[in-house]
Formats: sequence, structure tokens, C-alpha cells
Amino acid sequence: EAQVTQNPRYLITVTGKKLTVTCSQNMNHEYMSWYRQDPGLGLRQIYYSMNVEVTDKGDVPEGYKVSRKEKRNFPLILESPSPNQTSLYFCASSLGTSGSEGNEQFFGPGTRLTVL
Amino acid sequence: AQTVTQSQPEMSVQEAETVTLSCTYDTSESDYYLFWYKQPPSRQMILVIRQEAYKQQNATENRFSVNFQKAAKSFSLKISDSQLGDAAMYFCAYRRPIYSGGYQKVTFGTGTKLQVIP
Repeated sequence: EAQVTQNPRYLITVTGKKLTVTCSQNMNHEYMSWYRQDPGLGLRQIYYSMNVEVTDKGDVPEGYKVSRKEKRNFPLILESPSPNQTSLYFCASSLGTSGSEGNEQFFGPGTRLTVL
Repeated sequence: AQTVTQSQPEMSVQEAETVTLSCTYDTSESDYYLFWYKQPPSRQMILVIRQEAYKQQNATENRFSVNFQKAAKSFSLKISDSQLGDAAMYFCAYRRPIYSGGYQKVTFGTGTKLQVIP
């Protein structure tokens, strides 16, 4: 089944304790992205990646790191989480070709993160 | 920078009736894609419909259709024959074509919560 998976789905942690949220897709997609969703703010893009070893900042990159060492994986790293990073996080991927199908994003199920 | 505005935080519709959700955006680009996503209580993001800016014909997917007004930078979603399962948060999104190069940020609106009344 074609899908984007995220782990963990739920995470409660404390301020300053490094964490990684994994994201993996099995569709051979070129483009991958991370978003955070907060009430009243919609989804805001954190980082995106056009291909292996190619990443770029979105609108809210502060406090986050990403890496794209393999095409299928795009982990989100919080080196020193703070309470303002409590949010719902989504990973998404796109095929990366021309046309609307190539630009459509497929989303993972989301990760609910709470930083105490 | 591109911005996407959804001016209706909440809307309600009677079952079987029609409702229109509004979305406006700001861009200096001529080629781009617009999307409507549905987020039910399960939180899963589900693509409802997509529109390519260079296509003048409005996209349609079963009971869902859009009114795309490129000059006005407007992209509204019409849901016909509303069903209880349509109750969800709806997000409008904008992106430049991936093949166009350059930055590839995707911009979402703040969402409209749709309630369907039996």
C-alpha cells in the first residue's frame, strides 16, 4: 500500500530532551516536507526537501533540523525542544514531476507532540 | 511571499444543501497549483480537489467543485448535496510547480471548520 508513515504518533517529552520524529514514504517521491499545525494558524511548513541531500527552510524552521540521506526517509529533529513546539506535526511527500498529480502532496497520519 | 486567506473560520450547512467555502491568495506567479484538503476528526489530511492555474476550466470531483477566478485570485470550494461525512476542517493550499525550480514552499490557509446539520 502506497503510504507515508510517521513515528511516533504521540509523544510527550520534557524541555531540552532531544527527539526525532521519523517519516518514511514508499512511493519513490522526490519531494518531502514537514508541517506543524496549530489552532487558528493552519499548517505551516517547517522544512522541505527536493531530493536526497537537498533541503530548504520553510516558514517556521527555527528549532528544527532535518536530513535527507535516503530518498524514502525524512526525519525531523528537535535538538532542544521547548513548550512552544507543542503541536501536531505532519510529514508529506510529492512525486515531483510536472502536472497536478506530480505536485499533489500525500500526508502521513500526524504526530502529536507535547513538550512539558 | 505567497499568502492564502480563508476568511470563514466556521460555517454550517443543512444536510443535502449546498455550501461554498472561500479562499483567496496572493501571488505574482502566473503558473501554480491550488488544492483543497479535508481534515476530519481523525486528523488525516485528505485531498479533495486540485486546480492548475493555467487551466481555465474549473475542476470537479463528484459533489465537489471549485470556482477558480485567476484574475481575482480566488479559489472557492462548493460542496453540493452535503452529507454528514463532509463535516471537517477544510484547508486551501497554494504551491508553485515543482518543475519550475526555485523555492518550493507550500502555503496553507488557516482553515474553515464545516458543520453539517442533520
